[in-house]
Amino acid sequence: DGGITQSPKYLFRKEGQNVTLSCEQNLNHDAMYWYRQDPGQGLRLIYYSQIVNDFQKGDIAEGYSVSREKKESFPLTVTSAQKNPTAFYLCASTKDRAGNQPQHFGDGTRLSIL
Amino acid sequence: DAKTTQPNSMESNEEEPVHLPCNHSTISGTDYIHWYRQLPSQGPEYVIHGLTSNVNNRMASLAIAEDRKSSTLILHRATLRDAAVYYCILRDPLLNDMRFGAGTRLTVKP
Repeated sequence: DGGITQSPKYLFRKEGQNVTLSCEQNLNHDAMYWYRQDPGQGLRLIYYSQIVNDFQKGDIAEGYSVSREKKESFPLTVTSAQKNPTAFYLCASTKDRAGNQPQHFGDGTRLSIL
Repeated sequence: DAKTTQPNSMESNEEEPVHLPCNHSTISGTDYIHWYRQLPSQGPEYVIHGLTSNVNNRMASLAIAEDRKSSTLILHRATLRDAAVYYCILRDPLLNDMRFGAGTRLTVKP
């Protein structure tokens, strides 16, 4: 079945360490997104990519970096510059930029600080 | 960017209809209205979307006001599995981004 796979499900980071969250989709979607969700809050957009080798900052990009070298992959790196990285991270994709395309979400990665 | 306003929480009884409102007074002519729902510790799930006309699918109905400044998600018969946070989002095809608000937490009582 087609879908979005996020890994790992749980991740722990030490102080001063960079960590990378994986997001892979086999839906042949052009656009991919990363969101952060804090407890009891809605989703906040970190980065999004409309096409390979192109991406744009969302509302809270500071302390994060992304790459889009392949259509099916959009990894997110949480750098040491992100001082409060503990959150639930969600990856999503859409077929294209058309407004009538729904987003498909992965099951998320929960990141915690040791 | 256009924003949406939803009540923080709503309650419903099982087997009864639920109407979840959303205000989007600054919607532009090209914005689509999308609804998603999220269960605890899961990613959001697509529910329905529309542009101008009312829409129906197997999960729900979407009623859009004539001036498009508000919309209502209708669950015809709420079940316990419908308890979730429901998000109303405007999708601008030119920006190709989606911004989620805090959503409405729906509680379904047996």
